[in-house]
Amino acid sequence: GAVVSQHPSWVICKSGTSVKIECRSLDFQATTMFWYRQFPKQSLMLMATSNEGSKATYEQGVEKDKFLINHASLTLSTLTVTSAHPEDSSFYICSADTAGDRGLEQYFGPGTRLTVT
Amino acid sequence: LAKTTQPISMDSYEGQEVNITCSHNNIATNDYITWYQQFPSQGPRFIIQGYKTKVTNEVASLFIPADRKSSTLSLPRVSLSDTAVYYCLVGDRSTDKLIFGTGTRLQVFP
Repeated sequence: GAVVSQHPSWVICKSGTSVKIECRSLDFQATTMFWYRQFPKQSLMLMATSNEGSKATYEQGVEKDKFLINHASLTLSTLTVTSAHPEDSSFYICSADTAGDRGLEQYFGPGTRLTVT
Repeated sequence: LAKTTQPISMDSYEGQEVNITCSHNNIATNDYITWYQQFPSQGPRFIIQGYKTKVTNEVASLFIPADRKSSTLSLPRVSLSDTAVYYCLVGDRSTDKLIFGTGTRLQVFP
């Protein structure tokens, strides 16, 4: 149980284009989903917290107009990287929480590797 | 801001016990401490979670002292497949945010 999927698993896009990443909780409903970014050999950095039906809460330093998050249902959240640039190349990981928005019972997706050329 | 620091790397041999410590000097009072395992290009996988004292499950033990300013993940009899990066996740008292530790890269040799 508690499986989280992400799609796509990897994507290559050209600079200036937008990329959408989907995060789904397959066998449970998640009122809260989290989006992380991880650069090579670094820890996971929280980008935003997404609650179903409301606007996402972004961490300091994360541009909300560049990283658009939509949490339209209890099982789906999307992250759209708009006007991507090479510095946005990273490993993006989502997680879904089964116990509220504190993040104490997070189940992580497999990640999406974004490469911007 | 909580400094959740871990040793950068550790080496071990198959069959040995490995202990990885996470220091979190500003941990939030009510939050649990969670440890994750991550393989390259994969999402973190839950290992164990605890609040205080000792917790044990089928894969690991977690030791938490009374002041909760650190925690130690213990992996008994590691195998080659335990080669991965291990992260602690704790709540920061100042920001009320959950923060991942710096991560420890464990290399297990035959």
